Amino acid sequence: DAGVTQSPTHLIKTRGQQVTLRCSPKSGHDTVSWYQQALGQGPQFIFQYYEEEERQRGNFPDRFSGHQFPNYSSELNVNALLLGDSALYLCASSFVQGEQYFGPGTRLTVT
Amino acid sequence: GEDVEQSLFLSVREGDSSVINCTYTDSSSTYLYWYKQEPGAGLQLLTYIFSNMDMKQDQRLTVLLNKKDKHLSLRIADTQTGDSAIYFCALRESGGSYIPTFGRGTSLIVHP
Repeated sequence: DAGVTQSPTHLIKTRGQQVTLRCSPKSGHDTVSWYQQALGQGPQFIFQYYEEEERQRGNFPDRFSGHQFPNYSSELNVNALLLGDSALYLCASSFVQGEQYFGPGTRLTVT
Repeated sequence: GEDVEQSLFLSVREGDSSVINCTYTDSSSTYLYWYKQEPGAGLQLLTYIFSNMDMKQDQRLTVLLNKKDKHLSLRIADTQTGDSAIYFCALRESGGSYIPTFGRGTSLIVHP
């Protein structure tokens, strides 16, 4: 049983560019949450998707958007990248509102 | 919102016990979690406790909850070098947002 998978593993972008990160949830899970983890910090909640809709959102600007597909996989899009967007982006899946299981993350570096 | 505080570093010798502490502000937290993050990796759910429990033991791990003092701890018995990682305390309510709030993490360093 594959756990939560994320792609790509690492990514380097330039300020002002746009990026798309991808996540496949653990088998049997229908809910995907995205977190940003800056260096030396705990994960900060970005948003959560359920039934292809954004169900909850944390304190992040509209530059951060997402999508969930019918197969429950999800994408995180960030527009107009800033240096401060450099972080580890974590995807977590769950069945409805159960315990969250995290993927390995995507390390985004903005130069 | 919920504030979750952890000390940043803990250094122990291999074979000793490690105790990682967490304090929080919101007494409505119902689920209290401990996650482990190894270098360059995502978060691994280690164990969790419900707010109606005082203690939970799972092999080498013991979780203690003091609701009066809003204090959660994770004890790792017979700590091994493979336990070196960052440990995150996370709390969430049973209703409302269901989104856990994380502490900044405690970096556990195990010396041989």
